[in-house]
Amino acid sequence: NAGVTQTPKFRVLKTGQSMTLLCAQDMNHEYMYWYRQDPGMGLRLIHYSVGEGTTAKGEVPDGYNVSRLKKQNFLLGLESAAPSQTSVYFCASSYIAGEISNEQFFGPGTRLTVL
Amino acid sequence: AQSVTQLDSQVPVFEEAPVELRCNYSSSVSVYLFWYVQYPNQGLQLLLKYLSGSTLVKGINGFEAEFNKSQTSFHLRKPSVHISDTAEYFCAVSSSYKLIFGSGTRLLVRP
Repeated sequence: NAGVTQTPKFRVLKTGQSMTLLCAQDMNHEYMYWYRQDPGMGLRLIHYSVGEGTTAKGEVPDGYNVSRLKKQNFLLGLESAAPSQTSVYFCASSYIAGEISNEQFFGPGTRLTVL
Repeated sequence: AQSVTQLDSQVPVFEEAPVELRCNYSSSVSVYLFWYVQYPNQGLQLLLKYLSGSTLVKGINGFEAEFNKSQTSFHLRKPSVHISDTAEYFCAVSSSYKLIFGSGTRLLVRP
């Protein structure tokens, strides 16, 4: 049981390049989330999904796109990277039917630098 | 909309001293509250959670938190900290499909 995994762990991009971050979970969770973490700003929600085939905008969605084609995977795309997207990205998942809270389980993070 | 305030951005403390990390949330009919810990260069892991029942919640690594509905607070405490407790701590409240996180408190334990 690997929990939540993220690929890659590190990446350096040049301005204007594109990339996709992959998140996978093996806990049969319905909900999945992408956050970014910047110094002094805590965690900010980028996009989230409440089920396979659904996505929704979070607090800071501009410059990012997501897809949830399979229940266990949630992809985060940067079409044209900018230096302002230099950050640590965390994926999380939560919720099985019947659960009352929304305890989220986090991946180890992806450190992205945009030059 | 729900919100979470962590009043202290950094808390320095000496090893074996007690510590309290403060968290206040905006009121709601019912709340589910969480404390997460993030060790350097790692993801977040759950320390403890309050769903219902006893207002004193015990978590991992000797931490506990007290839910106070009248004060809308969920402060985290440990009676004696270790160097290994140095980390960032996040308080969060459940809101519909999401968790609303505070800005975090960095606990710095000194020898």
